[in-house]
Amino acid sequence: SFELTQPPSVSVSPGQTASIACSGDKLGSKYISWYRQKPGQSPVLVIYEDNTRPSGIPERFSGSNSGNTATLTISGTQTLDEADYFCQAWDRTTAVFGGGTKLTVL
Amino acid sequence: QVQLQESGPGLVKPSQTLSLTCTVSGDSVTSATHYWSWIRQPAGKGLEWIGRLHVYTSERTEYNPSLKSRVSISADTSNNKFSLTVTSVTAADTAVYYCARVRVSGTEDYMDVWGKGTTVTVSS
Repeated sequence: SFELTQPPSVSVSPGQTASIACSGDKLGSKYISWYRQKPGQSPVLVIYEDNTRPSGIPERFSGSNSGNTATLTISGTQTLDEADYFCQAWDRTTAVFGGGTKLTVL
Repeated sequence: QVQLQESGPGLVKPSQTLSLTCTVSGDSVTSATHYWSWIRQPAGKGLEWIGRLHVYTSERTEYNPSLKSRVSISADTSNNKFSLTVTSVTAADTAVYYCARVRVSGTEDYMDVWGKGTTVTVSS
Protein backbone atom coordinates (compact mmCIF):
# COMPACT_ATOMS: atom_id res chain seq x y z
CA SER A 1 0.00 0.00 0.00
CA PHE A 2 1.05 3.58 -0.59
CA GLU A 3 2.84 5.19 2.35
CA LEU A 4 4.17 8.65 3.18
CA THR A 5 7.19 9.00 5.45
CA GLN A 6 8.10 12.10 7.46
CA PRO A 7 10.88 12.72 9.97
CA PRO A 8 9.45 12.68 13.51
CA SER A 9 10.98 16.01 14.41
CA VAL A 10 12.68 19.07 12.97
CA SER A 11 14.24 21.92 14.91
CA VAL A 12 14.90 25.44 13.69
CA SER A 13 15.98 28.73 15.19
CA PRO A 14 13.64 31.72 14.98
CA GLY A 15 14.12 33.62 11.74
CA GLN A 16 15.73 30.67 9.97
CA THR A 17 14.27 28.44 7.27
CA ALA A 18 12.59 25.18 8.23
CA SER A 19 12.27 22.34 5.74
CA ILE A 20 10.01 19.36 6.39
CA ALA A 21 10.28 16.42 4.01
CA CYS A 22 7.66 13.91 3.00
CA SER A 23 8.70 10.89 0.95
CA GLY A 24 6.77 8.28 -0.99
CA ASP A 25 7.07 6.18 -4.11
CA LYS A 26 6.82 8.42 -7.20
CA LEU A 27 5.39 11.15 -5.00
CA GLY A 28 6.19 13.76 -7.61
CA SER A 29 3.46 12.29 -9.82
CA LYS A 30 0.86 13.16 -7.22
CA TYR A 31 -0.25 16.41 -5.60
CA ILE A 32 0.54 17.00 -1.95
CA SER A 33 -1.32 18.90 0.74
CA TRP A 34 0.19 20.01 4.03
CA TYR A 35 -1.64 20.53 7.32
CA ARG A 36 -0.51 22.28 10.48
CA GLN A 37 -1.82 21.12 13.86
CA LYS A 38 -1.14 22.95 17.08
CA PRO A 39 -1.66 21.19 20.43
CA GLY A 40 -5.30 20.68 21.25
CA GLN A 41 -6.46 22.09 17.92
CA SER A 42 -7.72 20.62 14.69
CA PRO A 43 -5.53 20.52 11.57
CA VAL A 44 -5.36 23.55 9.31
CA LEU A 45 -4.60 23.40 5.58
CA VAL A 46 -1.43 25.39 4.83
CA ILE A 47 -0.49 24.15 1.34
CA TYR A 48 -2.45 22.34 -1.38
CA GLU A 49 -1.63 21.21 -4.91
CA ASP A 50 2.05 21.04 -3.91
CA ASN A 51 2.64 24.78 -3.59
CA THR A 52 -0.59 26.78 -3.31
CA ARG A 53 -1.39 28.66 -0.14
CA PRO A 54 -5.00 29.04 1.02
CA SER A 55 -6.09 32.55 1.85
CA GLY A 56 -4.88 33.60 5.27
CA ILE A 57 -1.71 31.48 5.19
CA PRO A 58 1.44 33.64 5.30
CA GLU A 59 3.74 33.87 2.30
CA ARG A 60 6.56 32.36 4.33
CA PHE A 61 4.91 28.95 3.76
CA SER A 62 5.83 27.29 0.46
CA GLY A 63 5.99 23.80 -0.97
CA SER A 64 7.67 21.74 -3.64
CA ASN A 65 7.32 18.20 -4.93
CA SER A 66 9.60 16.23 -7.22
CA GLY A 67 10.80 12.68 -7.60
CA ASN A 68 10.02 10.82 -4.40
CA THR A 69 10.05 13.78 -2.02
CA ALA A 70 7.80 16.72 -1.23
CA THR A 71 9.04 19.53 0.97
CA LEU A 72 7.27 22.11 3.08
CA THR A 73 9.43 25.18 3.58
CA ILE A 74 8.84 27.85 6.17
CA SER A 75 10.98 30.93 5.64
CA GLY A 76 11.69 33.27 8.53
CA THR A 77 10.21 30.75 10.96
CA GLN A 78 8.40 32.24 13.92
CA THR A 79 7.71 30.74 17.32
CA LEU A 80 4.02 30.60 16.44
CA ASP A 81 4.90 28.14 13.64
CA GLU A 82 5.76 25.52 16.23
CA ALA A 83 3.33 22.67 15.58
CA ASP A 84 2.91 19.23 14.07
CA TYR A 85 2.88 19.16 10.27
CA PHE A 86 1.29 16.40 8.22
CA CYS A 87 1.63 15.76 4.49
CA GLN A 88 -1.21 14.09 2.61
CA ALA A 89 -1.72 12.62 -0.85
CA TRP A 90 -4.35 10.56 -2.60
CA ASP A 91 -3.70 6.96 -3.58
CA ARG A 92 -6.46 6.58 -6.14
CA THR A 93 -9.57 7.19 -3.98
CA THR A 94 -7.88 6.85 -0.58
CA ALA A 95 -6.35 9.74 1.35
CA VAL A 96 -3.01 8.90 2.90
CA PHE A 97 -1.33 10.98 5.61
CA GLY A 98 2.29 11.03 6.60
CA GLY A 99 3.08 10.24 10.22
CA GLY A 100 3.65 13.90 11.04
CA THR A 101 6.66 16.04 11.92
CA LYS A 102 6.93 18.01 15.12
CA LEU A 103 8.50 21.37 14.33
CA THR A 104 10.30 22.93 17.26
CA VAL A 105 11.33 26.57 17.07
CA LEU A 106 14.04 27.39 19.58
CA GLN B 1 -17.83 31.32 6.92
CA VAL B 2 -18.03 27.54 6.72
CA GLN B 3 -18.11 25.70 10.02
CA LEU B 4 -18.29 22.02 10.87
CA GLN B 5 -19.27 20.68 14.28
CA GLU B 6 -18.96 17.06 15.38
CA SER B 7 -21.32 15.55 17.93
CA GLY B 8 -21.96 12.17 19.46
CA PRO B 9 -21.38 10.02 22.53
CA GLY B 10 -17.97 10.29 24.11
CA LEU B 11 -18.02 6.74 25.44
CA VAL B 12 -18.87 3.55 23.57
CA LYS B 13 -18.68 -0.03 24.85
CA PRO B 14 -16.57 -2.61 23.04
CA SER B 15 -18.38 -4.51 20.29
CA GLN B 16 -21.03 -1.80 20.02
CA THR B 17 -21.59 0.73 17.24
CA LEU B 18 -20.13 4.22 17.25
CA SER B 19 -22.25 6.94 15.63
CA LEU B 20 -21.15 10.53 15.07
CA THR B 21 -22.75 13.46 13.29
CA CYS B 22 -21.19 16.49 11.64
CA THR B 23 -23.37 19.59 11.32
CA VAL B 24 -22.42 21.88 8.47
CA SER B 25 -23.08 25.62 8.42
CA GLY B 26 -22.18 28.10 5.72
CA ASP B 27 -22.25 25.49 2.95
CA SER B 28 -24.54 22.72 1.73
CA VAL B 29 -23.78 19.02 1.99
CA THR B 30 -25.35 18.72 -1.47
CA SER B 31 -22.61 20.90 -2.98
CA ALA B 32 -21.24 19.64 -6.29
CA THR B 33 -17.76 20.93 -5.49
CA HIS B 34 -17.24 19.28 -2.12
CA TYR B 35 -16.97 15.88 -0.55
CA TRP B 36 -17.53 15.44 3.19
CA SER B 37 -15.01 13.38 5.10
CA TRP B 38 -14.16 11.80 8.44
CA ILE B 39 -10.65 11.53 9.86
CA ARG B 40 -9.52 10.25 13.23
CA GLN B 41 -6.48 10.66 15.44
CA PRO B 42 -5.57 8.47 18.42
CA ALA B 43 -4.03 10.39 21.28
CA GLY B 44 -0.45 11.34 20.51
CA LYS B 45 -0.55 9.76 17.07
CA GLY B 46 -1.07 10.70 13.46
CA LEU B 47 -4.12 11.25 11.28
CA GLU B 48 -6.05 8.35 9.77
CA TRP B 49 -8.50 9.01 6.94
CA ILE B 50 -11.75 7.08 7.36
CA GLY B 51 -13.72 7.97 4.25
CA ARG B 52 -15.73 10.54 2.35
CA LEU B 53 -19.14 11.16 0.83
CA HIS B 54 -20.20 13.08 -2.27
CA VAL B 55 -23.90 13.71 -1.86
CA TYR B 56 -24.23 15.39 -5.26
CA THR B 57 -23.31 12.22 -7.16
CA SER B 58 -25.96 9.99 -5.66
CA GLU B 59 -24.15 9.93 -2.34
CA ARG B 60 -21.01 8.33 -3.68
CA THR B 61 -18.80 7.03 -0.87
CA GLU B 62 -15.14 6.10 -0.67
CA TYR B 63 -13.56 4.41 2.33
CA ASN B 64 -10.17 3.56 3.74
CA PRO B 65 -9.68 -0.10 2.73
CA SER B 66 -8.46 -0.92 6.25
CA LEU B 67 -11.79 0.19 7.73
CA LYS B 68 -14.20 -0.39 4.86
CA SER B 69 -15.88 -3.46 6.37
CA ARG B 70 -16.90 -1.58 9.52
CA VAL B 71 -17.62 2.01 8.51
CA SER B 72 -20.41 3.85 6.76
CA ILE B 73 -20.88 7.54 5.93
CA SER B 74 -24.27 8.98 5.05
CA ALA B 75 -26.02 12.33 4.77
CA ASP B 76 -29.10 13.99 6.21
CA THR B 77 -29.68 16.63 3.57
CA SER B 78 -32.79 18.00 5.29
CA ASN B 79 -30.67 19.05 8.26
CA ASN B 80 -27.43 19.68 6.37
CA LYS B 81 -25.53 17.01 8.28
CA PHE B 82 -23.52 13.92 7.53
CA SER B 83 -22.78 10.99 9.78
CA LEU B 84 -20.27 8.26 10.51
CA THR B 85 -21.03 4.78 11.78
CA VAL B 86 -18.37 2.36 12.96
CA THR B 87 -19.47 -1.12 13.93
CA SER B 88 -17.90 -3.67 16.27
CA VAL B 89 -15.65 -1.12 17.97
CA THR B 90 -12.60 -2.01 20.03
CA ALA B 91 -10.16 0.01 22.10
CA ALA B 92 -8.24 0.65 18.88
CA ASP B 93 -11.10 2.88 17.74
CA THR B 94 -10.49 5.27 20.63
CA ALA B 95 -9.52 8.60 19.06
CA VAL B 96 -10.44 12.18 18.33
CA TYR B 97 -12.76 12.11 15.34
CA TYR B 98 -12.76 15.04 12.92
CA CYS B 99 -15.13 15.86 10.12
CA ALA B 100 -13.78 17.87 7.21
CA ARG B 101 -14.85 19.42 3.94
CA VAL B 102 -12.98 18.17 0.89
CA ARG B 103 -12.68 20.60 -1.97
CA VAL B 104 -12.99 18.93 -5.37
CA SER B 105 -10.14 20.29 -7.42
CA GLY B 106 -9.30 20.03 -11.09
CA THR B 107 -5.96 18.55 -10.09
CA GLU B 108 -6.22 17.00 -6.64
CA ASP B 109 -8.71 17.29 -3.81
CA TYR B 110 -7.81 18.80 -0.45
CA MET B 111 -9.40 19.16 3.00
CA ASP B 112 -9.93 22.87 3.42
CA VAL B 113 -12.21 23.12 6.47
CA TRP B 114 -12.07 20.96 9.60
CA GLY B 115 -14.28 20.64 12.62
CA LYS B 116 -12.87 20.99 16.12
CA GLY B 117 -13.05 17.25 16.72
CA THR B 118 -14.82 15.06 19.24
CA THR B 119 -13.19 12.53 21.53
CA VAL B 120 -14.52 8.99 21.51
CA THR B 121 -13.37 6.43 24.06
CA VAL B 122 -14.14 2.75 23.69
CA SER B 123 -14.29 1.16 27.11
CA SER B 124 -16.56 -1.02 29.19
